[in-house]
Amino acid sequence: NAGVTQTPKFRVLKTGQSMTLLCAQDMNHEYMYWYRQDPGMGLRLIHYSVGEGTTAKGEVPDGYNVSRLKKQNFLLGLESAAPSQTSVYFCASSYVDSYQPQHFGDGTRLSIL
Amino acid sequence: QQQVKQSPQSLIVQKGGISIINCAYENTAFDYFPWYQQFPGKGPALLIAIRPDVSEKKEGRFTISFNKSAKQFSLHIMDSQPGDSATYFCAAISNYQLIWGAGTKLIIKP
Repeated sequence: NAGVTQTPKFRVLKTGQSMTLLCAQDMNHEYMYWYRQDPGMGLRLIHYSVGEGTTAKGEVPDGYNVSRLKKQNFLLGLESAAPSQTSVYFCASSYVDSYQPQHFGDGTRLSIL
Repeated sequence: QQQVKQSPQSLIVQKGGISIINCAYENTAFDYFPWYQQFPGKGPALLIAIRPDVSEKKEGRFTISFNKSAKQFSLHIMDSQPGDSATYFCAAISNYQLIWGAGTKLIIKP
């Protein structure tokens, strides 16, 4: 049982390049989330999805886009990477009940030069 | 604007001691308060959680104390062990969204 799988684990980009981070979950969760984690700031929600085909903005959505074409997958895109987007990105998923825990992947460490 | 304030940023405790991490919140609409534990290179994982109608919840060596009137809650780790060394996040839920504290890096010295 894989849980939440994120690919890639590490990536280095140059400013202005684009890339897509992939998140896959095998727990049949309805909700999926993308967070970024920066030192001293905890986790901040970028975008989230409450079901296949639906997405919504979180706390820090600027510079990112997302898509949820399949229930088990949630993609995070950076159209034109900036150094300020250097961070560790975490994907999570959960059941519809907000009292259920969010299950996290192991993160993608992204550096923008 | 940080809606959940967590302290201290870092904490060093001797093995067998009590580790205490504190959080305070402002939004009275929060209705669920989980604590997550994160080891290096891993994602956070739920440790223990409490609802605001309960003043204390205990699971093994981990206890949450909740003070609704003061809008504060804390995590106590009894008999702290080196394996407890990790970063701990408090959080609060409103409208299905988790609002996170900044985290506390806990080191347990053998």
